[in-house]
Amino acid sequence: QVQLVESGGGVVQPGRSLRLSCAASAFTFSSYDMHWVRQAPGKGLEWVAVIWYDGNNKYYADSVEGRFTISRDNSKNTLDLQMNSLRADDTAVYYCARELTGFWDSSKRPLGYWGQGTLVTVSS
Amino acid sequence: DIQMTQSPSTLSASVGDRVTITCRASQSISNWLAWYQQKPGKAPKLLIYKASTLEIGVPSRFSGSGSGTEFTLTISSLQPDDFATYSCQQYNSYSWTFGQGTKVEIK
Repeated sequence: QVQLVESGGGVVQPGRSLRLSCAASAFTFSSYDMHWVRQAPGKGLEWVAVIWYDGNNKYYADSVEGRFTISRDNSKNTLDLQMNSLRADDTAVYYCARELTGFWDSSKRPLGYWGQGTLVTVSS
Repeated sequence: DIQMTQSPSTLSASVGDRVTITCRASQSISNWLAWYQQKPGKAPKLLIYKASTLEIGVPSRFSGSGSGTEFTLTISSLQPDDFATYSCQQYNSYSWTFGQGTKVEIK
């Protein structure tokens, strides 16, 4: 079955950087757009970024634009999130998520599969 | 950005109750709306997409309706496994946005 496993979370000081990774398995990774979604403690879900199946398009939430970079390696079935200039309000569980269907589906697609999440705590 | 507003924020109900959660978009999103269920410490789970399409494996007591800016999630007969937080999400345009969530509690 589809598996998404995030890693790289931890405690980091404000202003520093952290890189999250998501290892995908049991599906053709290169056929799906991939997303990062986060959830601050006790708060709702917040969409962070998307990268298209071929890596040619990326979009970001205004709250992370210019600080975070999403990338993927289709040869290694991995999705990354490089987070720079971290702030206290970036503290959250970060989820990697896959769209329900792949690029061949011309309609808009929700998030069908999620990882278990990795916690990022930004604190001095 | 499109704002998604859910109501109520918290809902107290009993097993067997019919439950309705509302989600309103700040502008039309056609029917590009999904509903997710989340339990404490767990990842969200897709329940409904395209406003009313039930994801495979989701019990038929869940249903969704609406289009444009007004949407509802209905649980026809609440079961013990349904006590959780429910969130709507628009995927009409980037950046995607979620509602703030509705916690369904045991009455």
